[in-house]
Amino acid sequence: AQTVTQSQPEMSVQEAETVTLSCTYDTSESDYYLFWYKQPPSRQMILVIRQEAYKQQNATENRFSVNFQKAAKSFSLKISDSQLGDAAMYFCAYFDNFNKFYFGSGTKLNVKP
Amino acid sequence: GAGVSQSPSNKVTEKGKDVELRCDPISGHTALYWYRQSLGQGLEFLIYFQGNSAPDKSGLPSDRFSAERTGGSVSTLTIQRTQQEDSAVYLCASSLVVAFALHFGNGTRLTVT
Repeated sequence: AQTVTQSQPEMSVQEAETVTLSCTYDTSESDYYLFWYKQPPSRQMILVIRQEAYKQQNATENRFSVNFQKAAKSFSLKISDSQLGDAAMYFCAYFDNFNKFYFGSGTKLNVKP
Repeated sequence: GAGVSQSPSNKVTEKGKDVELRCDPISGHTALYWYRQSLGQGLEFLIYFQGNSAPDKSGLPSDRFSAERTGGSVSTLTIQRTQQEDSAVYLCASSLVVAFALHFGNGTRLTVT
């Protein structure tokens, strides 16, 4: 079975600084999708960014970008110019060819003013 | 509706009672997922629907758990003879087509006393 590992249970960043959240996954597939989701205290999961494995170019959404290393099975999220509203749990997710999403255990991001 | 709607938002029940959790996906979304999130943990896959059929029920923890979806829309997750270990937040998500981003509801927090 595919697994998604987030090795950082909790991280802190100063407001306006940059932080990188790590994610690795295990798969034998060549075609799949990767996602980062944010879960603020309100509990609702919000999509941050999506990456197709067949695309070499790293996805970017405003202050959020990823470093996708397919051979290393690594998918890290970089948040630039961190804002207080970025404080949340961040989950990395893998989507396979059998229509199932696998989620990591999450990284809690604290943003210090 | 504008988003995925789940009801109730909170449910407290006595051990041994049955509960029904409801999910109203975004109109037109064919895929629907149920996940369970225990306190401070990641998301545990329960079941996935494509239309009204459930190709993958492998995540249901026991035969006390069942789910159905009618009319390709509303889904109900039923837990019979609830146990204290069933206490968690139950999240529902839908997507327009597979491999697209999941849209999550706010979840139902179930507490079994």
